[in-house]
Amino acid sequence: QLQLQESGPGLVKPSETLALTCTVSGGSISSNYYYWGWVRQPPGKGLEWIGSIYYTGSTYYNPSLKSRVSISVDTSKDQFSLRLTSVTAADTAIYYCVPLRSGYYFDSWGRGTLVTVSS
Amino acid sequence: DIQLTQTPSSLSASVGDRVTFTCRASQDISNYLAWYQQKPGKIPKLLIYAVYTLESGVPSRFSGGGSGTVFTLTISSLQPDDVATYYCQEYNNAPALTFGGGTKVEIK
Repeated sequence: QLQLQESGPGLVKPSETLALTCTVSGGSISSNYYYWGWVRQPPGKGLEWIGSIYYTGSTYYNPSLKSRVSISVDTSKDQFSLRLTSVTAADTAIYYCVPLRSGYYFDSWGRGTLVTVSS
Repeated sequence: DIQLTQTPSSLSASVGDRVTFTCRASQDISNYLAWYQQKPGKIPKLLIYAVYTLESGVPSRFSGGGSGTVFTLTISSLQPDDVATYYCQEYNNAPALTFGGGTKVEIK
């Protein structure tokens, strides 16, 4: 059973960069069966797909965030990471890292981590 | 970009009622649609993928339907444990994805 755990600062200042890492356990990030995604959810609001990565490094981003987002993978550590630049209060959300089964839909959701953008 | 519109945004029904809500896509997405359930204060959970296929362990009172641009999620007999927000998600251009805005289900 795959388990994913987010880590990173819970508080980021406006205009700075949000950086989170997701550690995969119970399986290999180099699996042919999964892509790896980031999803966020502002407090009291719906789900927003941020982007996804394959273990080869191929990335796919939400067009609305593409100019500010980058996702990378470190197969030696079974980790993938999110960077979101120039954050504002609108980026305050619970950030989830989630495996994408066959690149299609999300299973094994992690707990998520709340990131607050505030000075 | 594909947009998904879920209706209604919320509904209230009685225990035992059959409830159905809709997810409309801005273009044909064939059968590339999944549904998630998010209970209050909890993480989302995959319910259905490929329009009809129930994820392992999901009660059979849940069913999905539709094709093309209009899709439905039906709960055949609403239970108190079904209080949640339900999201649809398309993967027609996977791994690029879109979520719908959600339908919140409450008990009368």
